[in-house]
Amino acid sequence: AQSVAQPEDQVNVAEGNPLTVKCTYSVSGNPYLFWYVQYPNRGLQFLLKYITGDNLVKGSYGFEAEFNKSQTSFHLKKPSALVSDSALYFCAVRGDKLIFGTGTRLQVFP
Amino acid sequence: GAVVSQHPSRVICKSGTSVKIECRSLDFQATTMFWYRQFPKQSLMLMATSNEGSKATYEQGVEKDKFLINHASLTLSTLTVTSAHPEDSSFYICSASVSGTSYTGELFFGEGSRLTVL
Repeated sequence: AQSVAQPEDQVNVAEGNPLTVKCTYSVSGNPYLFWYVQYPNRGLQFLLKYITGDNLVKGSYGFEAEFNKSQTSFHLKKPSALVSDSALYFCAVRGDKLIFGTGTRLQVFP
Repeated sequence: GAVVSQHPSRVICKSGTSVKIECRSLDFQATTMFWYRQFPKQSLMLMATSNEGSKATYEQGVEKDKFLINHASLTLSTLTVTSAHPEDSSFYICSASVSGTSYTGELFFGEGSRLTVL
């Protein structure tokens, strides 16, 4: 069975600092991994995905994620955080359905 | 990117009534749509997978007679909460992937529908 874990409920970072939101996964076979962002009372917006190829995936709004097969991780990163990045972030793994992690709330302080 | 429209965004109803939520893919065809439920400060729970022209596949623990799903066309899926009760109050989100993209395609999400049952 596939699963994904986000160990941090909340991440706090100062504006301008780099940010990392952690995600680990468990799948049998090739992992298809995704990051989504959710703003209050809104649906989810796609940020980026890893299917195959380069381990560093670049996505929307300056976000990127690094696929690490040996550590079964797919951490979301951004070199310089913005206050507007404050939102709920979900890591997900796709098989015949999309399974989400529990979400990490990112709070960027001015 | 592809656009998914969900309506209504908010609905308040009395206990015992039924509520229908529509999910439309506006600029692409979606053979499969997914319905999720999200409780406050929690993750998304997959309720069912909606397949065009066939019966929906419900996740374990989701009452199919309570949450009726219809996927009559390649651009429309509906979720009807029948005989709603206060415990059905939640944020419901639909999503769809472009037909033919299989497991590698990202899902596109509607804006969600907040249901409040009085």
